[in-house]
Amino acid sequence: GAVVSQHPSRVICKSGTSVKIECRSLDFQATTMFWYRQFPKQSLMLMATSNEGSKATYEQGVEKDKFLINHASLTLSTLTVTSAHPEDSSFYICSARGSGPYNQPQHFGDGTRLSIL
Amino acid sequence: DAKTTQPTSMDCAEGRAANLPCNHSTISGNEYVYWYRQIHSQGPQYIIHGLKNNETNEMASLIITEDRKSSTLILPHATLRDTAVYYCIVRVGAYKYIFGTGTRLKVLA
Repeated sequence: GAVVSQHPSRVICKSGTSVKIECRSLDFQATTMFWYRQFPKQSLMLMATSNEGSKATYEQGVEKDKFLINHASLTLSTLTVTSAHPEDSSFYICSARGSGPYNQPQHFGDGTRLSIL
Repeated sequence: DAKTTQPTSMDCAEGRAANLPCNHSTISGNEYVYWYRQIHSQGPQYIIHGLKNNETNEMASLIITEDRKSSTLILPHATLRDTAVYYCIVRVGAYKYIFGTGTRLKVLA
């Protein structure tokens, strides 16, 4: 089945650091990728949608200058949390869908747990 | 907002069938229903999806009512490893998933 790889799985860094998270589709071309964040005991919240080669579309309330998304190829999207602060600590998850039928499901990575000290 | 509502939690005895309901009363004619599950500290795992016919795969069965306003995910023989949060999703817009609160299924030994 479709595999989405996310790296790193866990990162701990100091406040003020910028952190980059990678999301790769390993066996299919991902025309659209999605970024979510999840706080403890809560559901996933969609942050942004990115299509290969174009600017990401951010959900209401998500700061685009804070969460930089790049989707430069059909197999890679990156999320950069700029100048991270403790309130940015969360579980970040990406998903991807290919170029097949419109009803095909998204496939998710295993998430990145970000802890800002 | 999510277009689905699910019970917050359910228990199921190991070896028995787990039936997880979902209401999606505002679903449109061409919108599919997707089911995922999330085991603690992992990304959601795809289970099954359907439009209006019942669907079955190696993981589960999906029963969709004739009016398509609700569906039920069936795990035929639940095991302890099926303990997870199960999400029923109807897409919003072209491809977006908006997650609801899901159902926390606990399989009991």
